[in-house]
Amino acid sequence: DIQLTQSPSFLSASVGDRVTITCRASQVISSYLAWYQQKSGKAPKVLIYAASSLQSGVPSRFSGSGSGTEFTLTISSLQPEDFAIYYCQQLNSYPLTFGGGTKVETK
Amino acid sequence: EVQLVESGGGLVKPGESLRLSCAASGFSFNTYTMNWVRQAPGKGLEWVSSISSGGSYIYYADSMKGRFTISRDNAKNSLYLQMNNLIVEDTAVYYCATIDYDILIGYPRFVYWGQGTLVTVSS
Repeated sequence: DIQLTQSPSFLSASVGDRVTITCRASQVISSYLAWYQQKSGKAPKVLIYAASSLQSGVPSRFSGSGSGTEFTLTISSLQPEDFAIYYCQQLNSYPLTFGGGTKVETK
Repeated sequence: EVQLVESGGGLVKPGESLRLSCAASGFSFNTYTMNWVRQAPGKGLEWVSSISSGGSYIYYADSMKGRFTISRDNAKNSLYLQMNNLIVEDTAVYYCATIDYDILIGYPRFVYWGQGTLVTVSS
């Protein structure tokens, strides 16, 4: 099974900060990686897929990069509505797996 | 408007069974691979199972293999998860979700999600 390791697990930041979250895969997954945002009590929402493609309707301050085993999600200028938990997911092969999550908190 | 509505959650004792349903509307259900994803209280997301559009291809997470059965009824636009021999660790919110493929580049992602249904396993 492919393991995804996200870092950091917690991140304190302020509005306007540039935020970067890393996701490392235990095997090569090409670009079959997606990023999700989840707010308390809500279902996850896809932000990025194919490692770097922005999902329709998602603000351009979100971007993704990487391929192979190392991936990053970047928020260029953190907004108040971006405080949430972020998950990466690999869709390269079954069983599909999620990273452990990164909670972005206000500093 | 795409809607996925889960139902069937509740409180059960260890060893008991439960059947979850997901009613889909607003899209061509019979053309989408469907999934169950769960989230234990205060924990991260865990993929549970996937079923292809026609039901021919089915996959499970290792920890659920043999206890959970995914199925679908395309005539009723519905997805199901039969959960047997439930254990305390199965306590979670269960979401159904679609896999959508980008038209141009073919890469998948989970686009539409239901609101989730809570399963609590406790004696």
